[in-house]
Amino acid sequence: DADVTQTPRNRITKTGKRIMLECSQTKGHDRMYWYRQDPGLGLRLIYYSFDVKDINKGEISDGYSVSRQAQAKFSLSLESAIPNQTALYFCATSEVQGRKQFFGPGTRLTVL
Amino acid sequence: AQKVTQAQTEISVVEKEDVTLDCVYETRDTTYYLFWYKQPPSGELVFLIRRNSFDEQNEISGRYSWNFQKSTSSFNFTITASQVVDSAVYFCALSEAGTGNQFYFGTGTSLTVIP
Repeated sequence: DADVTQTPRNRITKTGKRIMLECSQTKGHDRMYWYRQDPGLGLRLIYYSFDVKDINKGEISDGYSVSRQAQAKFSLSLESAIPNQTALYFCATSEVQGRKQFFGPGTRLTVL
Repeated sequence: AQKVTQAQTEISVVEKEDVTLDCVYETRDTTYYLFWYKQPPSGELVFLIRRNSFDEQNEISGRYSWNFQKSTSSFNFTITASQVVDSAVYFCALSEAGTGNQFYFGTGTSLTVIP
């Protein structure tokens, strides 16, 4: 089984809808991250969490919110989706500072 | 300012040619970590290598090699005798000790290996 899973893998929604993307991990890592990938822009950090009680904004947090329900779960919400939030979203985990990040398979979100 | 710059947006090479992907980073931290990831057409992100700022020793792993030079703030990646399976987008990333392990990714280099 995959160590980092994301659901759903693909989602098409309409402008103004609320969307939640979920991430689960079995690696036992405290640190979890949400990124979005856009063509030509690489991966940009949306939010990150170093433990259940620690949530931090990343480079592009506007329009997004997160919830760290447990060490293993980190959800990303779009309260009112807009077309420019169409992107590929990745969840990642890491063990400690400086260690590599393990990425989920990605969620392709399309907002019409 | 971009902390990680991958100036090469797209590169095409013919199979068996060598190719070098450039990565230039910017940091004021003395302790930092550099990474390369590969994203094949299937979309997943595959870890390739990690280097810390105290280890400038170059590394070779099969057909892959990495040249880390602090003097020029560069961490370049060379594929020797490229193969079609090397076709992917390659990302360089920086993690600074001072920013609590945030990762800063470059914009990626799309490599196409032509058979």
